[in-house]
Amino acid sequence: DTGVSQNPRHKITKRGQNVTFRCDPISEHNRLYWYRQTLGQGPEFLTYFQNEAQLEKSRLLSDRFSAERPKGSFSTLEIQRTEQGDSAMYLCASSLRGSIKSGGGFLEQFFGPGTRLTVL
Amino acid sequence: LAKTTQPISMDSYEGQEVNITCSHNNIATNDYITWYQQFPSQGPRFIIQGYKTKVTNEVASLFIPADRKSSTLSLPRVSLSDTAVYYCLVAVMDSSYKLIFGSGTRLLVRP
Repeated sequence: DTGVSQNPRHKITKRGQNVTFRCDPISEHNRLYWYRQTLGQGPEFLTYFQNEAQLEKSRLLSDRFSAERPKGSFSTLEIQRTEQGDSAMYLCASSLRGSIKSGGGFLEQFFGPGTRLTVL
Repeated sequence: LAKTTQPISMDSYEGQEVNITCSHNNIATNDYITWYQQFPSQGPRFIIQGYKTKVTNEVASLFIPADRKSSTLSLPRVSLSDTAVYYCLVAVMDSSYKLIFGSGTRLLVRP
């Protein structure tokens, strides 16, 4: 257990439905990340937050995807009008922000167990 | 186009040293190179992180050449429990700043 939790762990939905996933990071971590992973592939970056600000969004994050981190604590990822191609494992991670000396870089990320989405 | 490249798979035997190399072009100049281990149905787990030269911790070493366009993860004396997929992760500046995982190297450790 890394201290990062995700809910639900599994979600089965029908095409066209909306789904929402939740991530609870390690409490003192100011950065939170979302990734998508399909079978046999590495995780693909979707977006990340520093506190409540969404700083980067991948082109993979189409208009149907939206992520929020309203109080800089937990985060939600919503997918609207799901498609079969959205079926994947959705991973959340959290980290501290690198120090100014280190260039503010991306330090060790702690990953949650993921939410597996199946779109029928 | 930002891309990272790793060998698809590697085989080893218990007690041997394993070296996995990741090539990464367009790496951001001020960010780390990080390696993760992943078991089936679990999220990736941090192994080691470095910026340049060599870093060593209790489980691995990381070698990074001066140009930082590649990195090598070294696992000393692997055991059966090291059978997993290993990923490098770098930050790149493409059209925007983003995090890129490698394609992953599936390591099989045999008795």
